Order: sequence, then structure tokens, then C-alpha cells
Amino acid sequence: GEDVEQSLFLSVREGDSSVINCTYTDSSSTYLYWYKQEPGAGLQLLTYIFSNMDMKQDQRLTVLLNKKDKHLSLRIADTQTGDSAIYFCAERGDTGGFKTIFGAGTRLFVKA
Amino acid sequence: NAGVTQTPKFRVLKTGQSMTLLCAQDMNHEYMYWYRQDPGMGLRLIHYSVGEGTTAKGEVPDGYNVSRLKKQNFLLGLESAAPSQTSVYFCASSYMDRYTGELFFGEGSRLTVL
Repeated sequence: GEDVEQSLFLSVREGDSSVINCTYTDSSSTYLYWYKQEPGAGLQLLTYIFSNMDMKQDQRLTVLLNKKDKHLSLRIADTQTGDSAIYFCAERGDTGGFKTIFGAGTRLFVKA
Repeated sequence: NAGVTQTPKFRVLKTGQSMTLLCAQDMNHEYMYWYRQDPGMGLRLIHYSVGEGTTAKGEVPDGYNVSRLKKQNFLLGLESAAPSQTSVYFCASSYMDRYTGELFFGEGSRLTVL
């Protein structure tokens, strides 16, 4: 079945860039997402990219997609303490009720 | 703006007891989902629904049942709770929309089974 993998922890200093990586197995993935979960809350969509795109930039966020290697990354520029959260990579295909498959989540620690 | 509302937010059960989690959304979404979140395992899909009166199994459906009698509500039932079902449960909904497929999540329901 489909699988999404990402590292569990990342620690950076305030002001540095953070890069969170993800790999997925479903070659029919059409949509790829990054969701953010703050403590005690549900997930919220941070950004997404279509499978026919290589890059998407949105203010401090840059998403890179290497479809050949099935690799997705999220770069957060000028990381702030408010960026501390769990970041989930997710993918969705076009069939099967549009199920979204999530990775285990990367917990980002930002040190002041 | 209520969005997706889950009740209850916390519950403690004894092994063998039953309970129902209620999810309600006010965005007229077609699709609704129940996920469970466990440390180091991310979110795993339990059951989902693509419309009123329909349900389907996800990755980890055993021990759970669901019903979607009204479009705005999606119920998750545990008939005989087990300690392995201790988890945080999230409900989500989305449009029947191929453009972004964004999921809107509730705040979660923390269930402990003793």
C-alpha cells in the first residue's frame, strides 16, 4: 500500500532555515501536502503542491518536489520560535475516496 | 465559524465498555474521515465516508464502526474498548473537490482505555 516516510525530529536555531524531508511510494500521487499541528490542536494545511510542479514558494515557505525520486521537502526560512510544531507530509491520489495518507510527522524544535 | 467539532474531547473507558465519538461539520462537505494519532506513527485512517449513507474501511478499521446518517455528522463507535485503542482521534472533512483536497480537522478526542 501507499507509504509516506519522514524523520521524527529536527532542531534548529532561531533565524536559521529548517528543511524537513519526506519520501512517498505512491507513483499515482496527485497532490502532496504539508500540514502543521500545534500542541493540543488539530492539523491545519500549511501548503500543497501538485504533482506536475517542481517548486512552490509562499512567503517563508518553499516546497520542492522531485517526482522521479518521490521526494518532497519543506524549507522554512528565518525560522521563528512560533514555528515549533509537528509537520506532517501527506499525499493523495485520484482514486479510492481521495484518501489522504500521512507520514509520522516531524517535530521541529526551534532554539532561541 | 465552528468548522469541525468533535465531542467528547476527553474520555476514560474501562476495557470492554462501549462509546461513540461524534463529529459534526458545518461546511457542507461531502467527505468525512476518522483518523487516529499515535506517537511515532502519525495519522492512520480508520474509516471514511464519501457521502451521506456511505462508509468505507481505511487502514485500521478493526474494532471500530461508523455511521453517516446525516451529511453533517460522522459517528465513530467502539463496541468493546481495548487498551490498544488508547489514542487521540481526529475527525476531518473535505469538499468533493479535485483542486486542493484540503482536509479540515477537528481539535481531537483523547481516549484512554484502562
